[in-house]
Amino acid sequence: EAQVTQNPRYLITVTGKKLTVTCSQNMNHEYMSWYRQDPGLGLRQIYYSMNVEVTDKGDVPEGYKVSRKEKRNFPLILESPSPNQTSLYFCASSSSGQGEQYFGPGTRLTVT
Amino acid sequence: GENVEQHPSTLSVQEGDSAVIKCTYSDSASNYFPWYKQELGKRPQLIIDIRSNVGEKKDQRIAVTLNKTAKHFSLHITETQPEDSAVYFCAASKARGSGNTGKLIFGQGTTLQVKP
Repeated sequence: EAQVTQNPRYLITVTGKKLTVTCSQNMNHEYMSWYRQDPGLGLRQIYYSMNVEVTDKGDVPEGYKVSRKEKRNFPLILESPSPNQTSLYFCASSSSGQGEQYFGPGTRLTVT
Repeated sequence: GENVEQHPSTLSVQEGDSAVIKCTYSDSASNYFPWYKQELGKRPQLIIDIRSNVGEKKDQRIAVTLNKTAKHFSLHITETQPEDSAVYFCAASKARGSGNTGKLIFGQGTTLQVKP
C-alpha cells in the first residue's frame, strides 16, 4: 500500500529536549516536505527536499533541521524545542515539485 | 515573499446550494494552484488543481477557475452535500528555472459547513 508514515503520532516534551520526528514514504517520490498546521494560519511549509541531499527552506524554517540521506526518509529535527513549536506537523511527498502532495497522518507535538 | 490570501475563513451553506472559496496570490510567477480538502482529524487530500495555461477545470461537482491578470483563483462546489463539510486549502507554487522547486504556499483555510 502506497503511504507516508510519521512517528510518533503524538508527543509531549519539555523545552530544550532534542527530538526527531521521522517520515518515510514507499512511493519512490523525489520530493518531500514538512508542514506545520496552526489554527487560523493554515499549512506552512517548514522545509522541503527535491532529492537526496538536496533540501531548501520553506516559509518557517527557524528552529528546525532536516536531512535527506535516503530517498524514502525525511526526518524533522528540533534541536531545542520551544513552546511556540507546539503544533500539528505533517510530512508529505510528491513525484514532482508541482504534483499531488501525499500527506502523512500528522504528528501532534506539545512543548511545555 | 510570496503570499496566498484565502476568503472566507468560514462558510455555511444549505445542502444543495453552491459554495465558492476565493484565493489571491502575490507572485505573478506562480503557475500551479492546487486545492486540498481536510476532513476533521484527517490529513489534507488533493481534490483538484489547475495550471496557469488553463482558465478553468471541472471534476464532477467541483471546479476551479483562474484569473492570471487579477492573480486570483476560486473553488466552486455545486450541489453541496453534508460530506463536503471540511476545511479547504488553496495553494500556489512556481517553477524555478527549468525545474520545479517544490515550494508550496498555502492559504489560511476555509471551514465549510453544509447544513442538511
